[in-house]
Amino acid sequence: DTEVTQTPKHLVMGMTNKKSLKCEQHMGHRAMYWYKQKAKKPPELMFVYSYEKLSINESVPSRFSPECPNSSLLNLHLHALQPEDSALYLCASSQGRHNYGYTFGSGTRLTVV
Amino acid sequence: GIQVEQSPPDLILQEGANSTLRCNFSDSVNNLQWFHQNPWGQLINLFYIPSGTKQNGRLSATTVATERYSLLYISSSQTTDSGVYFCAVFLLQGAQKLVFGQGTRLTINP
Repeated sequence: DTEVTQTPKHLVMGMTNKKSLKCEQHMGHRAMYWYKQKAKKPPELMFVYSYEKLSINESVPSRFSPECPNSSLLNLHLHALQPEDSALYLCASSQGRHNYGYTFGSGTRLTVV
Repeated sequence: GIQVEQSPPDLILQEGANSTLRCNFSDSVNNLQWFHQNPWGQLINLFYIPSGTKQNGRLSATTVATERYSLLYISSSQTTDSGVYFCAVFLLQGAQKLVFGQGTRLTINP
């Protein structure tokens, strides 16, 4: 299994809603990542989990809350988002420190209304 | 911080043409990767190439780490090659994160 699976593929949520994005990999990778990508821009790193511990938070607003329940799963909890948070959210995983085998999921396209 | 610059920003070619995409980076890195993002948003890892040359079918890549650049070659382009090609580097020191260039948007016309 060489995939990173993200659900849902599309999400429309109101500014008062609470929702979660999910990411799963079964490649034995020990590093997992959340990225945000706006149209016509490169992906921007949000969070890095290494061995299930949060190792990097790129000054992301607290309305985004990551969680790593185990080595295969990564969640991103969303609460009180703004319309400008609408974007493609990408999950990725890699074999760790030198991110060999870096693999992205197909993303969740989020629209905040 | 490190600067990653890609050129050209846009490239439009006819099917069957060859192309060369360039990535320059401003600091020493211990990893460089090329990705292709298709029109549906899926990012595919093409090459992990901190140095040297690799080939995979019609695609090949060369990184000259001492001169801080990498090249991606696409031969006999097909319409399915369309999309955005990103170069991304992983720093030798400091925060352990992948830094992306702005990308080259490639359009292959039939």
